[in-house]
Amino acid sequence: DAGITQSPRHKVTETGTPVTLRCHQTENHRYMYWYRQDPGHGLRLIHYSYGVKDTDKGEVSDGYSVSRSKTEDFLLTLESATSSQTSVYFCAISPRLGGPYNEQFFGPGTRLTVL
Amino acid sequence: GQQVMQIPQYQHVQEGEDFTTYCNSSTTLSNIQWYKQRPGGHPVFLIQLVKSGEVKKQKRLTFQFGEAKKNSSLHITATQTTDVGTYFCAGLKDQAGTALIFGKGTTLSVSS
Repeated sequence: DAGITQSPRHKVTETGTPVTLRCHQTENHRYMYWYRQDPGHGLRLIHYSYGVKDTDKGEVSDGYSVSRSKTEDFLLTLESATSSQTSVYFCAISPRLGGPYNEQFFGPGTRLTVL
Repeated sequence: GQQVMQIPQYQHVQEGEDFTTYCNSSTTLSNIQWYKQRPGGHPVFLIQLVKSGEVKKQKRLTFQFGEAKKNSSLHITATQTTDVGTYFCAGLKDQAGTALIFGKGTTLSVSS
């Protein structure tokens, strides 16, 4: 498996509290992604990064912000968590965006529960 | 926006039976990727198809990319209990596309 870790792996929090999830990679890949996975919805892209301090929104970015101050770390922040953000969050990395050999490598996931 | 649709959503088979999942895009794709996610696990890359009409095989798995590059399929011959999981297709709209668009997946269960 690619060197990707996510922390925490599990978190239970209350509505209205801020939450930050961390993704750390040791592969020096340029592209990093945050997805959420919910039953019946598959994988939905929240935000992605194409370099240090370079980020863009995905399909379901409302209520989320991201930051990437180092190549190896990509943070996902829920400024004020809501119950609708209860989900499993996956980080992924890839060496390139388009063309061949742009497969994504996923981290183990973070299960977040917002009460 | 661009959508990638997968059918069926669920499939149950007896061990030894064949299985096929289909992926359809509303727009032409530059390439398509397939991922497998075991229960409780994370998605793992299986293969990428780039050329129109391309067919690739991995042991009992056969992947096809349609001539119009708008659809793809994954066929598993003689399923085994180790094939259990959710199979996702993911399409890239163009070479400079921003990100993959994932289908909702097909969950395969296999009884022995």
